[in-house]
Amino acid sequence: EPEVTQTPSHQVTQMGQEVILRCVPISNHLYFYWYRQILGQKVEFLVSFYNNEISEKSEIFDDQFSVERPDGSNFTLKIRSTKLEDSAMYFCASSRPGQGPRGYTFGSGTRLTVV
Amino acid sequence: KNEVEQSPQNLTAQEGEFITINCSYSVGISALHWLQQHPGGGIVSLFMLSSGKKKHGRLIATINIQEKHSSLHITASHPRDSAVYICAVRGPTNKLVFGAGTILRVKS
Repeated sequence: EPEVTQTPSHQVTQMGQEVILRCVPISNHLYFYWYRQILGQKVEFLVSFYNNEISEKSEIFDDQFSVERPDGSNFTLKIRSTKLEDSAMYFCASSRPGQGPRGYTFGSGTRLTVV
Repeated sequence: KNEVEQSPQNLTAQEGEFITINCSYSVGISALHWLQQHPGGGIVSLFMLSSGKKKHGRLIATINIQEKHSSLHITASHPRDSAVYICAVRGPTNKLVFGAGTILRVKS
């Protein structure tokens, strides 16, 4: 069954460093998303991406964040200068309307720890 | 006020019991998702509903659009059902708004 693949599974970085989280969405999906979950809290929407541009972003997604789909298969989230409060699990998801629950699929997440 | 409210927050059941988790939402939606999150953190989509009722194995999900309410039922619960169950609603922009989750523990 097709999967959304995220790498790395765990990343530790120093405060102020740039990080890039990588995702390979399901190939025939059209919408791509990043969500995050701070430990003990609920999952929060960061950004959605459709037709090679951001379609919606939350207030969390400030100038420190950016997304890219550089080559038609990868979908990346970059955090330019990490802060302690960026420590969280980051989930990539992709969706395609009309495919039931599997039409909205999450990756297994990248646990980002900022020290 | 949270857009998506789940109850209960925590639920402990004996193996074999019938379990119900409730979700209420306050916004217009195009669909409601029930998701499962295991301790490792991965999220699995169980159901996507826009009306009525769906069943998959021992899991049943229902939605009442007029009342803005959905329920997830687990019949004949088993310890392997222990996980966090999350309700999330999808609006016209396709983003999901998540509830806080229900932590389910099924004891043998």
